Amino acid sequence: NAGVTQTPKFRVLKTGQSMTLLCAQDMNHEYMYWYRQDPGMGLRLIHYSVGEGTTAKGEVPDGYNVSRLKKQNFLLGLESAAPSQTSVYFCASWRENTEAFFGQGTRLTVV
Amino acid sequence: GQQVMQIPQYQHVQEGEDFTTYCNSSTTLSNIQWYKQRPGGHPVFLIQLVKSGEVKKQKRLTFQFGEAKKNSSLHITATQTTDVGTYFCAGTLKTSYDKVIFGPGTSLSVIP
Repeated sequence: NAGVTQTPKFRVLKTGQSMTLLCAQDMNHEYMYWYRQDPGMGLRLIHYSVGEGTTAKGEVPDGYNVSRLKKQNFLLGLESAAPSQTSVYFCASWRENTEAFFGQGTRLTVV
Repeated sequence: GQQVMQIPQYQHVQEGEDFTTYCNSSTTLSNIQWYKQRPGGHPVFLIQLVKSGEVKKQKRLTFQFGEAKKNSSLHITATQTTDVGTYFCAGTLKTSYDKVIFGPGTSLSVIP
């Protein structure tokens, strides 16, 4: 039982490059969320999913896309990376009325 | 829109002093959760409060949920250096699904 696993853990991108962050959970959770965390900004919700095949925008969705084709995986895509997307990205999953489990985070730098 | 606020944003205390962080929501919540994030780490669940006026304790930590289910607090008695980190509250709104909103967090520094 690995919990929530994020890959990769670190990445450096050049402006304009694309990449996909993978979040995988083995707890059969319905809810999966992607957050970004910047110094002094707390956790800001990018996109979320309340079940397989569903996605919705959070408070800072611009420049990101997501997909939840399988219940255990939630993918976050950056089509054309910008320096403003330099951040630490966290994925979280949970079941209704229970606590959220977070991944270890992905530290992304866009140069 | 719905918001969850926390105060203070930062708190520096001398080791042994008490610490309190407050969480306020603009909307009635179905429950409130608290998380701790150590520097360089990821948020880790501490506790969930569900009932109006609920108080729960974990060793030196005391959590309260307000009567109106719009506010909550976390109090740490006699802080230790191991308490260093950022404390987040997260409120759940009941719609057709659980909508969880995290507060901005309170960063605690403990001076030995």
